[in-house]
Amino acid sequence: GAGVSQSPRYKVTKRGQDVALRCDPISGHVSLYWYRQALGQGPEFLTYFNYEAQQDKSGLPNDRFSAERPEGSISTLTIQRTEQRDSAMYRCASRGGVRNEQFFGPGTRLTVL
Amino acid sequence: AQSVSQHNHHVILSEAASLELGCNYSYGGTVNLFWYVQYPGQHLQLLLKYFSGDPLVKGIKGFEAEFIKSKFSFNLRKPSVQWSDTAEYFCAVTPPGTASKLTFGTGTRLQVTL
Repeated sequence: GAGVSQSPRYKVTKRGQDVALRCDPISGHVSLYWYRQALGQGPEFLTYFNYEAQQDKSGLPNDRFSAERPEGSISTLTIQRTEQRDSAMYRCASRGGVRNEQFFGPGTRLTVL
Repeated sequence: AQSVSQHNHHVILSEAASLELGCNYSYGGTVNLFWYVQYPGQHLQLLLKYFSGDPLVKGIKGFEAEFIKSKFSFNLRKPSVQWSDTAEYFCAVTPPGTASKLTFGTGTRLQVTL
């Protein structure tokens, strides 16, 4: 596609449920990043991939959060046993080269009731 | 803690006024610097970036930023704002050795009035 796409755009779930957030990067982009943005804050790094390999997951808050990119293209961020504090905008970005910028998708607004 | 600071949280300007948004970072060594903008209802878009070379960087829509290494700053400027510049602006840094993961400031909400 022309840009980074994310689905769903909005997700409302009940506490304790699992959610899966999808990111479809720009075609051919090697690197894919996940960020989380709380209200009134800037995005915070969660994890990133080069191709299918997860290079850094230091930003994942705890073991309820996981991400995968099995074929080096689409990525899924999974949150198990959601809690209210997980409510945030989850942003995905992709990057084509070392000196290139990251292109962001529209984000998924997650609300945990 | 190492961080990115944006001192102006909410700025209100009249059209044609000049804009300067502050950004300071606390990392030593070589960094890459970015300004992103989020217009209402849209996703984050890159305004401009600095990797090396001329510390005065020009971006889209008449924005520019100056990297001052001695002050650890990368302030965003525009000589004359327009109503359409109403948006949230984020400064971001790629700290040394972090393979380009971005550390963002908290953002500045700019409101331009007619």
